[in-house]
Amino acid sequence: GAGVSQSPSNKVTEKGKDVELRCDPISGHTALYWYRQSLGQGLEFLIYFQGNSAPDKSGLPSDRFSAERTGGSVSTLTIQRTQQEDSAVYLCASSFRSDGGALHFGNGTRLTVT
Amino acid sequence: DAKTTQPNSMESNEEEPVHLPCNHSTISGTDYIHWYRQLPSQGPEYVIHGLTSNVNNRMASLAIAEDRKSSTLILHRATLRDAAVYYCILRDPTSGYSTLTFGKGTMLLVSP
Repeated sequence: GAGVSQSPSNKVTEKGKDVELRCDPISGHTALYWYRQSLGQGLEFLIYFQGNSAPDKSGLPSDRFSAERTGGSVSTLTIQRTQQEDSAVYLCASSFRSDGGALHFGNGTRLTVT
Repeated sequence: DAKTTQPNSMESNEEEPVHLPCNHSTISGTDYIHWYRQLPSQGPEYVIHGLTSNVNNRMASLAIAEDRKSSTLILHRATLRDAAVYYCILRDPTSGYSTLTFGKGTMLLVSP
């Protein structure tokens, strides 16, 4: 069956430009998460959506980062005025329920800021 | 969030069983124990999770200590494809916004 899909798989952008990363979660999953992973590092939580509740934005590193989830399905992570330290793999995950449910990850978008 | 402690790395030979330990001495009564693994250049992959009882699925077994302060992920016959970073994570569904906090995990090396 279809898993979590992320696009693009790779993105190279110049410093100062804005980028949008897309996540298509598994159909029916109510929870959606964004993480990022810098080279050789662990996963860093960014933002969490659960149903119609207000998202948990506590992991967003600065106000240049924002995310939306439209219609309870597709999500877009936007990074404005990209910096070189934003270079990382951005991972999206979804789950059916927040209580004990398994997270299903996409393969991520590798963002390189030059 | 309650913290987990795992060895940085472990080595195994192909076709041998592997026992990956995880300590979580501050676990609360509502924390689920989750295991994920991450193969090179891929997103993390769910392996197994449990609350109190031991769990088995097609990928692995999860043995949970009676006091729940530790757990062990068991791969019954390691293959080269099992070489990955394994993350042991606690997840509390009563905390409202339930997220997973990933530590550095255990890097499993499998030799032919």
